[in-house]
Amino acid sequence: EPEVTQTPSHQVTQMGQEVILRCVPISNHLYFYWYRQILGQKVEFLVSFYNNEISEKSEIFDDQFSVERPDGSNFTLKIRSTKLEDSAMYFCASSMDNIVEQYFGPGTRLTVT
Amino acid sequence: QKEVEQNSGPLSVPEGAIASLNCTYSDRVSQSFFWYRQYSGKSPELIMSIYSNGDKEDGRFTAQLNKASQYVSLLIRDSQPSDSATYLCAVSWGETGANNLFFGTGTRLTVIP
Repeated sequence: EPEVTQTPSHQVTQMGQEVILRCVPISNHLYFYWYRQILGQKVEFLVSFYNNEISEKSEIFDDQFSVERPDGSNFTLKIRSTKLEDSAMYFCASSMDNIVEQYFGPGTRLTVT
Repeated sequence: QKEVEQNSGPLSVPEGAIASLNCTYSDRVSQSFFWYRQYSGKSPELIMSIYSNGDKEDGRFTAQLNKASQYVSLLIRDSQPSDSATYLCAVSWGETGANNLFFGTGTRLTVIP
């Protein structure tokens, strides 16, 4: 069964450093998303991406964040200058259409020290 | 302000019993409703989607939607210890054409053998 994959599973970085989180969505899906979950809190939407451009972004997704689909399979989230409060699980998700189910990847645990 | 509310639990049921999980949401414009299961330290796993009023059954799971009351529920029949997890209610308002999900804080379910 096709699934969303994410790398790395765990990333440790120092405050102020840039990180890139990578995702491979399900191959025939057209909509891609990033969510994050701070430990003990709810899953929060960051950004959605369709047709090679951002479709929607939340207030969390400020100028420190960017997304890119550099090729036909990868979807990346870049955090330019990490802060302690960026420590969270980051989940990539994809869906075939904009009104149907989203499938989540296993997540990347980002720890900023 | 779009809100998704769930009782955080914990909800404990004996093995074989029916577990009932509830969710309310703030906006009548909501279009799509999803239940995800999340094991500790793992990503959300889609269990059910429901789009119209009434019941939808899939195996041991039944989702119920009442848009007039802004209420969606999940029933788990013949609960098993492996069902012990946090259950996340997610709602999409679909305003912008992207299916951004708003999550509740989740209800922690424990099935006692």
